[in-house]
Amino acid sequence: AQSVTQPDIHITVSEGASLELRCNYSYGATPYLFWYVQSPGQGLQLLLKYFSGDTLVQGIKGFEAEFKRSQSSFNLRKPSVHWSDAAEYFCAVGYTGTASKLTFGTGTRLQVTL
Amino acid sequence: DAGITQSPRHKVTETGTPVTLRCHQTENHRYMYWYRQDPGHGLRLIHYSYGVKDTDKGEVSDGYSVSRSKTEDFLLTLESATSSQTSVYFCAISVENSYEQYFGPGTRLTVT
Repeated sequence: AQSVTQPDIHITVSEGASLELRCNYSYGATPYLFWYVQSPGQGLQLLLKYFSGDTLVQGIKGFEAEFKRSQSSFNLRKPSVHWSDAAEYFCAVGYTGTASKLTFGTGTRLQVTL
Repeated sequence: DAGITQSPRHKVTETGTPVTLRCHQTENHRYMYWYRQDPGHGLRLIHYSYGVKDTDKGEVSDGYSVSRSKTEDFLLTLESATSSQTSVYFCAISVENSYEQYFGPGTRLTVT
């Protein structure tokens, strides 16, 4: 069964510092990969997605992610974090022929200190 | 904005009572999903639908049923609510052939 691991439950970074959130997936087929962000009390917003092609994808709010097949990873990065980036981040994976279902990781909560 | 609304947004109910949550979309997407979100578990799929009257179970479907009589509405029913079903429930749609999912604002359900 497909699964997604986000090994960091909670990360704290200083405003202006760089950020990397880790995501690993497990399955043999070519995945569709997503990062979502959830601000407190809100729904989930799609940050970026990878389907095929260039393994470095750009998203909204200055985020990017890199797909590394050899490491089964899809880590999210941002060069300089803003206080407004404090939120919970979820990685998700989907596969062809699964009724567009996604499997989500357990999330990483990002705290930004000023 | 994928035009997804959920109702009610908040509900408190007692153990053993039936509860129905509604998800409404305005863009005629074929695929719809119900998730629950709990601390430490992320989002877990309860049921999903791939068309009118076409539904299937997700990973945590016990105690839940769904119905979809119209493209725009997807209902989630807790036949007899239990305290373990206290959670935040999210509805989502998928844009066909893209696998992208877009979420509603959520319903916070408390079972006392």
